[in-house]
Amino acid sequence: DSGVTQTPKHLITATGQRVTLRCSPRSGDLSVYWYQQSLDQGLQFLIHYYNGEERAKGNILERFSAQQFPDLHSELNLSSLELGDSALYFCASSALGGSALSYGNTIYFGEGSWLTVV
Amino acid sequence: GQQVMQIPQYQHVQEGEDFTTYCNSSTTLSNIQWYKQRPGGHPVFLIQLVKSGEVKKQKRLTFQFGEAKKNSSLHITATQTTDVGTYFCAGYSDYKLSFGAGTTVTVRA
Repeated sequence: DSGVTQTPKHLITATGQRVTLRCSPRSGDLSVYWYQQSLDQGLQFLIHYYNGEERAKGNILERFSAQQFPDLHSELNLSSLELGDSALYFCASSALGGSALSYGNTIYFGEGSWLTVV
Repeated sequence: GQQVMQIPQYQHVQEGEDFTTYCNSSTTLSNIQWYKQRPGGHPVFLIQLVKSGEVKKQKRLTFQFGEAKKNSSLHITATQTTDVGTYFCAGYSDYKLSFGAGTTVTVRA
């Protein structure tokens, strides 16, 4: 158990709908990362939040948005869903994230949220 | 933007043999990390390398960070069935941890 909690574990929804994925980081971790993993694909970086502020954006679609709340949990909102959005969405957390030279900035992954768009 | 490339994509290994997976970044990295994802599981942190030319060992696994901090390798000796999974390298730069496509390892007993 990594200490990162993601809900829901599985979600099936129709095209055009909107869903929210939730992530609770490990206790004390200030950084939250979101990744998308499609079938036979690697881990695509979506977005990184550090202590409530957006730190970096990856290949995140405009239909997707995220935020990190004062209690440090994070939500990833996916709207106008398409079939191609079906994937495993991972949340990860780390203690640090404020320095590009951070040593020991281990990232811990949650078990992921399986999204199926039909 | 930063790209991390990893080869080979698939590695079929006879039990007991050695193999190496390689990782290359388009930009200089502040550090590089390696993760292992078992089938049906989530990525699990293995190790982080920070210094130029750094070499670290974990039992049968040897990790190396290139002198220019743009490439890395993972060498596994005497492969066992427990080594099955996908090994990802990830480069950290500008607050982004970008993953390679991974090397999926299968082992023939």
